[in-house]
Amino acid sequence: QQQVKQSPQSLIVQKGGISIINCAYENTAFDYFPWYQQFPGKGPALLIAIRPDVSEKKEGRFTISFNKSAKQFSLHIMDSQPGDSATYFCAARGGNTPLVFGKGTRLSVIA
Amino acid sequence: NAGVTQTPKFQVLKTGQSMTLQCAQDMNHNSMYWYRQDPGMGLRLIYYSASEGTTDKGEVPNGYNVSRLNKREFSLRLESAAPSQTSVYFCASSEVPSETQYFGPGTRLLVL
Repeated sequence: QQQVKQSPQSLIVQKGGISIINCAYENTAFDYFPWYQQFPGKGPALLIAIRPDVSEKKEGRFTISFNKSAKQFSLHIMDSQPGDSATYFCAARGGNTPLVFGKGTRLSVIA
Repeated sequence: NAGVTQTPKFQVLKTGQSMTLQCAQDMNHNSMYWYRQDPGMGLRLIYYSASEGTTDKGEVPNGYNVSRLNKREFSLRLESAAPSQTSVYFCASSEVPSETQYFGPGTRLLVL
């Protein structure tokens, strides 16, 4: 049973464009929504995270948009760069339980 | 600080062999985790330890055992390896289960 559905599986964006990755969840007990970035051959690393009391969080070129009523959240990468090429995972957590991860999106930013 | 370290980096096993994957963290975290990553499947939790002395099953525990040796170390054991266990294994740690997880560099396991 997949608790967090992530789309698309892969994404190709032109340099300077906007990359958008979407996630949806069912469990209304989830209260923490992080995004992880993973480069080839490395472990995932926390990129940005949001809690449901805000609708948007921005850190540099990375923004999380959160829609509590629709149970959806998304990652926007503005001015995408080749160095952003990586696999991105959304995740969710409720209470004192481990994270549940989406299946990942492989982003390729081409010049 | 080394963060989360994993050994070995790469291992080839024959079906039926056993091995232990080692993980250590130097961040004084209470919680530790083992995940496997397969193409198109994302990160799936095998086992976790919320605190020293406790372990709990995750999404895919069959075929694995774990030991929380002390606060720093959390090992994953394959008693009788199967080709379906070919994967990349990641260890992670966090202050408590509700906080940010920090991942190790992974162990690539090939079971023939």
